[in-house]
Amino acid sequence: QSALTQPASVSGSPGQSITISCTGTSSDVGGYKYVSWYQQHPGKAPKSMIYDVSNRPSGVSNRFSGSKSGNTASLTISGLQAEDEADYYCSSYTGSSTVFGTGTKVTVL
Amino acid sequence: QVQLVQSGSELKQPGASVKVSCKASGYTFISNAINWVRQAPGQGLEWMGWINTKTGNPTYAQGFTGRFVFSLDTSVNTAYLQISTLQAEDTAIYYCTKNFSVARFDYWGQGTLVTVSS
Repeated sequence: QSALTQPASVSGSPGQSITISCTGTSSDVGGYKYVSWYQQHPGKAPKSMIYDVSNRPSGVSNRFSGSKSGNTASLTISGLQAEDEADYYCSSYTGSSTVFGTGTKVTVL
Repeated sequence: QVQLVQSGSELKQPGASVKVSCKASGYTFISNAINWVRQAPGQGLEWMGWINTKTGNPTYAQGFTGRFVFSLDTSVNTAYLQISTLQAEDTAIYYCTKNFSVARFDYWGQGTLVTVSS
């Protein structure tokens, strides 16, 4: 199972909105509603930010939102803040396993 | 509160074995599967597989068969990852994570750094 494709880096200024894409195939992202997004700060464990494409766990800011169209899922961060600077990974169910994305480094300018 | 607490960093020689533990608390251990995720230095997350905490049945991702073994001790709410015949390429942080639902990992251990070096 190949890793899902994400842009290596995305940047934005405080207050702006950014979108991270996550491209797979009809066997993973396109075939299931089970896409998740994780935030990872340096030296820390990943944290769940979005699950089942567009649902936010309790305690996650509503500035984070998820969507999916075809084989591509997206994470949008609105009102970008300094604390959002981190690595972000998507993941998807494949029918028998889970696959992660290649990861995106978000930089707040 | 839910916690997954992993064992400490390990430094091993090539060819040796290592066993990483993941102790769960704050929920009913057998209610949720445990997954294992690898992160090589400076690299992304890689799903290694999962273990059914009710039956003890493990499932391994491609690339993690043979030298990797998932196991449990339900009497102490602990999952284990054992890696045998360690190679330099096994140097990584290994995370355990709890399945909330399909392909959704809601809680993560703090990670265990395994370094393989002579």
